[in-house]
Amino acid sequence: AQSVAQPEDQVNVAEGNPLTVKCTYSVSGNPYLFWYVQYPNRGLQFLLKYITGDNLVKGSYGFEAEFNKSQTSFHLKKPSALVSDSALYFCAVRDGSGGSYIPTFGRGTSLIVHP
Amino acid sequence: DTGVSQDPRHKITKRGQNVTFRCDPISEHNRLYWYRQTLGQGPEFLTYFQNEAQLEKSRLLSDRFSAERPKGSFSTLEIQRTEQGDSAMYLCASSPSSDRDSPLHFGNGTRLTVT
Repeated sequence: AQSVAQPEDQVNVAEGNPLTVKCTYSVSGNPYLFWYVQYPNRGLQFLLKYITGDNLVKGSYGFEAEFNKSQTSFHLKKPSALVSDSALYFCAVRDGSGGSYIPTFGRGTSLIVHP
Repeated sequence: DTGVSQDPRHKITKRGQNVTFRCDPISEHNRLYWYRQTLGQGPEFLTYFQNEAQLEKSRLLSDRFSAERPKGSFSTLEIQRTEQGDSAMYLCASSPSSDRDSPLHFGNGTRLTVT
């Protein structure tokens, strides 16, 4: 079984400040981890992924995420938030060791960046 | 790459009616997924196709739901005898089988309202 927890329903940050959106996961094999962003009435857009290698991965729009195996975490970060970053963010995991290609998503975190 | 296309964008129906949604994946993608998303929740897996074969179905998927992908191209999701609890955003996504690490590419969804 695989699961994702996003412990914060909402994160508030001032424009220009760093932001972190938290994600922890559970998977029996090798974790393949993904972050997606969703704007109102739209589908999810891929931001970045961790498959293997460097624990810090960089993605679209200046976002990055840090994989921590011991803490089973994959937190999303950005050094300087923009108002336009305000959206819903979803973390997803799938088991890279098995034959399933179906990711499991977290409940999402609403990021609000204040001007 | 024209993206994943879903039709209709919105559907309002009365309880007990049948509805059908269509998804056109990115043309070279052989994997196709259906997810359901309700307010305040992340996408919940419904079913998965590789080419025309339906390889996995969620145990949560009632027998009122059926999906097809004839000829491995577009897919349809039908809900029979709709209930108010079926009101949700139905998301379709696709990915290429040539890339094991590929993220999902989502359409903008079909929002179903059952009155």
